[in-house]
Amino acid sequence: AQTVTQSQPEMSVQEAETVTLSCTYDTSESDYYLFWYKQPPSRQMILVIRQEAYKQQNATENRFSVNFQKAAKSFSLKISDSQLGDAAMYFCAYRSAGDSGAGSYQLTFGKGTKLSVIP
Amino acid sequence: DGGITQSPKYLFRKEGQNVTLSCEQNLNHDAMYWYRQDPGQGLRLIYYSQIVNDFQKGDIAEGYSVSREKKESFPLTVTSAQKNPTAFYLCASSIRGNHNYGYTFGSGTRLTVV
Repeated sequence: AQTVTQSQPEMSVQEAETVTLSCTYDTSESDYYLFWYKQPPSRQMILVIRQEAYKQQNATENRFSVNFQKAAKSFSLKISDSQLGDAAMYFCAYRSAGDSGAGSYQLTFGKGTKLSVIP
Repeated sequence: DGGITQSPKYLFRKEGQNVTLSCEQNLNHDAMYWYRQDPGQGLRLIYYSQIVNDFQKGDIAEGYSVSREKKESFPLTVTSAQKNPTAFYLCASSIRGNHNYGYTFGSGTRLTVV
């Protein structure tokens, strides 16, 4: 079974600065997808960015980018020019790419990192 | 607009009672999921369904039951057998077979045992 580890329960960043959230995962599969979700105080889960394992190029979405290191099984999220609205819980998630039967569609989540933004 | 609706937003249950959390989607998604969220635990999968009239247990199914009689609906019943039901419950859906898509989530239900 796949596992996802987020080793930083809490982090803080000054407004306008850059912060990196860490995520590592364990899998024996070669093809899969990785995601970062944001959960603000409203508790609505919002997809921030996704990465396909077979693509070497790191995904970017405006101020959000990832550093995907497949061999190291690492998938960190970088937030540039941090804003007050970035304050939230951030979850890293893994999803298999193959239809390997029951459970292959499910997302496996890490325990989350709570990000605070200091004005 | 398409989305997932969870109701109620807050739910209170007495000891020994069964309660049902509603989840409805109009995204025409085949797959639906129920997750439980506790502080410091992340999201843990309770049940999932890939097609109508079929569902599978997730990692923490004990004390819960589901049904999938319609594509749009995936209600979760928290039974009296669930020993610690106080938690935040999230429903999600996805396109079956499109693993890159991720999930669309509802806004959640906060269940409290009183």
